[in-house]
Amino acid sequence: SAVISQKPSRDICQRGTSLTIQCQVDSQVTMMFWYRQQPGQSLTLIATANQGSEATYESGFVIDKFPISRPNLTFSTLTVSNMSPEDSSIYLCSALTHATNEKLFFGSGTQLSVL
Amino acid sequence: RKEVEQDPGPFNVPEGATVAFNCTYSNSASQSFFWYRQDCRKEPKLLMSVYSSGNEDGRFTAQLNRASQYISLLIRDSKLSDSATYLCSTTSGTYKYIFGTGTRLKVLA
Repeated sequence: SAVISQKPSRDICQRGTSLTIQCQVDSQVTMMFWYRQQPGQSLTLIATANQGSEATYESGFVIDKFPISRPNLTFSTLTVSNMSPEDSSIYLCSALTHATNEKLFFGSGTQLSVL
Repeated sequence: RKEVEQDPGPFNVPEGATVAFNCTYSNSASQSFFWYRQDCRKEPKLLMSVYSSGNEDGRFTAQLNRASQYISLLIRDSKLSDSATYLCSTTSGTYKYIFGTGTRLKVLA
């Protein structure tokens, strides 16, 4: 399976600040995604990270709050902007790669706590 | 109605028992189905794909019932190490994966 490196693994942030999460995949990537998992909840897709163009956001998520970059095929960042306690969650990078036969694999996640 | 629904559990079973989970999906156009395992504070990991004819991987058997729109996961001879949350997932559109909230399994010694 592909190795997906995500960092930071956790952070505690102050209200109103922003945090950028990085995701690096070790093999040729078909698609990259960002999910959020709040306590006791299912994984919710935030957006599809598109290489060289704006990400495709799901209903309820907007670019101003969750700007995403994907400058090349194997790297993406998600920024959680102007954070509030409601943004406390686990954020997960995921990817489909040829190495994984186009099945979805996840990074180890970023545990974000906003005070 | 949620697109993918699961009984949250927990299912508490003794070691060696057989346990089964179901997962219902609402989109009749869903084409691909998967079971993921998630340990506490860890990322989900793919357990197995679910094929139309059903498939088995060791102690794990997955089945798909398109008529009733559900998938199932059967675990035989449960081990303590099987304790985890099991997430079902379907693809809606080409690559968009939709997940259930997961079913917690606790295997007791």
